[in-house]
Amino acid sequence: DIQMTQSPSSLSASVGDRVTITCRASQSISSYLNWYQQKPGKAPNLLIYTASSLQSGVPSRFSGSGSGTDFTLTISSLQPEDFATYYCQQSYSTPRTFGQGTKVEIK
Amino acid sequence: QVQLVQSGAEVKKPGASVKVSCKASGYTFTTYYMDWVRQAPGQGLEWMAKFNPSGGSTSYAQKFQGRVTMTRDTSTSTVYMELSSLRSEDTAVYYCTREGFGESLYYWGQGTLVTVSS
Repeated sequence: DIQMTQSPSSLSASVGDRVTITCRASQSISSYLNWYQQKPGKAPNLLIYTASSLQSGVPSRFSGSGSGTDFTLTISSLQPEDFATYYCQQSYSTPRTFGQGTKVEIK
Repeated sequence: QVQLVQSGAEVKKPGASVKVSCKASGYTFTTYYMDWVRQAPGQGLEWMAKFNPSGGSTSYAQKFQGRVTMTRDTSTSTVYMELSSLRSEDTAVYYCTREGFGESLYYWGQGTLVTVSS
């Protein structure tokens, strides 16, 4: 199975900050890396697919990069509605696997 | 618009089975794979299985092999996930999802809480 490791597991940031979350795969997954946002009590929501493609309707302050084993999700200017938990997930092979999540909290 | 509507919350005793439904609308049901993901209280996301509504084939995570069965009713565009031999650790919200670009989990159902308790 491909292991996905996210860092950090949590972070505190202020509105307007630039935030970066990293995700590392245990083997190359090409660009088959997706990012999801989850707010408490809600289903996850796809933000980025195939490492860098922005899902329709997602604000442009979100961006993704990387290929192979190392990936990054960046929020260029954190907004109040962005406080949530973020997960990476590989869709290169089954079993699909998720990172453990990064909780973004208000500083 | 694409919608995935799941059945309601369930409470089951250890050893029992649960069957969760997911009714799809807004697209051609047999065109896209569907995946099931679960989330235990306060925990992360755990992938369970990938299902082909067209042919009925399934790929399971090893930990669920032998306990999970996926079926579908193409006449109602509904997928069913049955989990047997329930134990307390199976208490979780279960999500059905529809794949999209790059086999991402493009659309999500609202989730179904399954509580396993004696």
